[in-house]
Amino acid sequence: AQTVTQSQPEMSVQEAETVTLSCTYDTSESDYYLFWYKQPPSRQMILVIRQEAYKQQNATENRFSVNFQKAAKSFSLKISDSQLGDAAMYFCAYRISQGGSEKLVFGKGTKLTVNP
Amino acid sequence: NAGVTQTPKFQVLKTGQSMTLQCAQDMNHEYMSWYRQDPGMGLRLIHYSVGAGITDQGEVPNGYNVSRSTTEDFPLRLLSAAPSQTSVYFCASSYSNLAPDTQYFGPGTRLTVL
Repeated sequence: AQTVTQSQPEMSVQEAETVTLSCTYDTSESDYYLFWYKQPPSRQMILVIRQEAYKQQNATENRFSVNFQKAAKSFSLKISDSQLGDAAMYFCAYRISQGGSEKLVFGKGTKLTVNP
Repeated sequence: NAGVTQTPKFQVLKTGQSMTLQCAQDMNHEYMSWYRQDPGMGLRLIHYSVGAGITDQGEVPNGYNVSRSTTEDFPLRLLSAAPSQTSVYFCASSYSNLAPDTQYFGPGTRLTVL
């Protein structure tokens, strides 16, 4: 079974500090893509960062970076210099394409609180 | 570009009623999909479409129908609503399913079935 596990239902961080959200996944595929999505109270799903599994270099987008460990099937998100606007639910997901069949699998999410 | 739009934003139905959730995108994306989000369950794929005239089932298709007559629109139909279908529904699209790409989500529809 292809699953995504986010072991931290809730996390908190002080403003300007760094926090890491964990994610592990289980797949037998070798070619896949990993994503972190942010869902603020508005419910809009916003792409934060993506990682191609064939790339060894970790993706970075401004204050957001990932630690991708393919062998360990781990894909954690690091948020540096946390801001109040980072408070949201964060979902880890992976996407595979197999013979025209598309599949995006999500974890259950981590609720991030940013304390002023 | 408006991106991915969904209507309505909120809907309350009685058990057995039918309705259609609308989804449209103006980015000429081939791939569109519907997810439902339930507390503690993340997002689960209901149906998806790889292009006009082509649809397929996702993880939780029962109780839902879809069609894709145009590239822009991908409506989700509930034929006979049940309380178990109370959820938040998201429509998403991406340029292509063949070239793995980022999916863009609509703002969601909160559906309550009494």
